[in-house]
Amino acid sequence: ETGVTQSPTHLIKTRGQQVTLRCSSQSGHNTVSWYQQALGQGPQFIFQYYREEENGRGNFPPRFSGLQFPNYSSELNVNALELDDSALYLCASSKQKLNTEAFFGQGTRLTVV
Amino acid sequence: RKEVEQDPGPFNVPEGATVAFNCTYSNSASQSFFWYRQDCRKEPKLLMSVYSSGNEDGRFTAQLNRASQYISLLIRDSKLSDSATYLCVVNLSGNTPLVFGKGTRLSVIA
Repeated sequence: ETGVTQSPTHLIKTRGQQVTLRCSSQSGHNTVSWYQQALGQGPQFIFQYYREEENGRGNFPPRFSGLQFPNYSSELNVNALELDDSALYLCASSKQKLNTEAFFGQGTRLTVV
Repeated sequence: RKEVEQDPGPFNVPEGATVAFNCTYSNSASQSFFWYRQDCRKEPKLLMSVYSSGNEDGRFTAQLNRASQYISLLIRDSKLSDSATYLCVVNLSGNTPLVFGKGTRLSVIA
């Protein structure tokens, strides 16, 4: 086990709704990155948080937003859900933004109907 | 052109076979290279890093050719438990995001 936990593991939402996904980083890690993995695709970088500040963002619209808390856990919020948002959402935690030594959580599988 | 491209797969091989996966990347400034393994409906897990000198871990051998911007993974004596999706991953520098290929699915058949 990596020590990175995500919740919930699965959820189903309706188009237009909002969703919040949560990630607890591994002890000692201050960086959390979020990735979206659509079916049959590799994970795509959404954004990264380092010491509670956004530190880089991929090609995702503003309705994808996030937070990092003082304990370095993180949330991913998606507003106005679309069918194409259905995917596995992965968070990865690391120390000092060092993504080459990141550990992934088990993911949250979001289905938008 | 995609940043990281992999063989489309799937690969269906019998137990004991040798199988090779190929990957190319577009950014010549990339510094770090990895193969990740992802089981169905699970998170990706680091299989091995890839170095210019090549590296081996048991039945797995990874090679990097910087001039051709090409990465490979060779699995010898395939086991049923090797069935998974193999993701080629490239990183520009430690502080930048990991860039994943689409993955190649391997099924090892008894």
